[in-house]
Amino acid sequence: DAGVTQSPTHLIKTRGQQVTLRCSPKSGHDTVSWYQQALGQGPQFIFQYYEEEERQRGNFPDRFSGHQFPNYSSELNVNALLLGDSALYLCASSSGLNIGSPLHFGNGTRLTVT
Amino acid sequence: AQSVSQHNHHVILSEAASLELGCNYSYGGTVNLFWYVQYPGQHLQLLLKYFSGDPLVKGIKGFEAEFIKSKFSFNLRKPSVQWSDTAEYFCAVNDPPNQGGKLIFGQGTELSVKP
Repeated sequence: DAGVTQSPTHLIKTRGQQVTLRCSPKSGHDTVSWYQQALGQGPQFIFQYYEEEERQRGNFPDRFSGHQFPNYSSELNVNALLLGDSALYLCASSSGLNIGSPLHFGNGTRLTVT
Repeated sequence: AQSVSQHNHHVILSEAASLELGCNYSYGGTVNLFWYVQYPGQHLQLLLKYFSGDPLVKGIKGFEAEFIKSKFSFNLRKPSVQWSDTAEYFCAVNDPPNQGGKLIFGQGTELSVKP
């Protein structure tokens, strides 16, 4: 049991559409980070949410946006989907922003854009 | 900007062989380093981490890694691999080093252990 829950597990969308991915953090965690993992690559950091605010952001366009709810769960939204957005999207939770708090990853959402 | 390189993309070993996976990072100064493992069909899991102190770090399942600052390296080792070690291994660095959550990952090394 990963502790971090992501939904859905798989998703197929058409180019130009919008998608929302969801993440529930491990119990006791209040910080959520999102990563994109393209096939054959390591995960790339998209952004991090803490106290319902975006705290850090990676090199991703504004088409990628997110939200964190008062119960610490989070959503990742991607607008105007491109074929290149096809990837595994990983959610990771942790406790606070301290570097000593290890990340716990979910199993991911596999997004396919056709 | 910080980057991480893993030079071995796919490693094939027989059981009981010794393992060393290379990892180099690009930016000097304070670094926090990690090795994560992803077993087939499972989520990424932390193997070990280095923040400061003893540069030889021991992790779970008999893995260890050595931080060599002069070589910008953090290689993962295991004296004797088992079939159950078959997985993908990722090296990562915390960027910036003073705040958690944002990791820069290498491209990963797929390890296949033959029984």
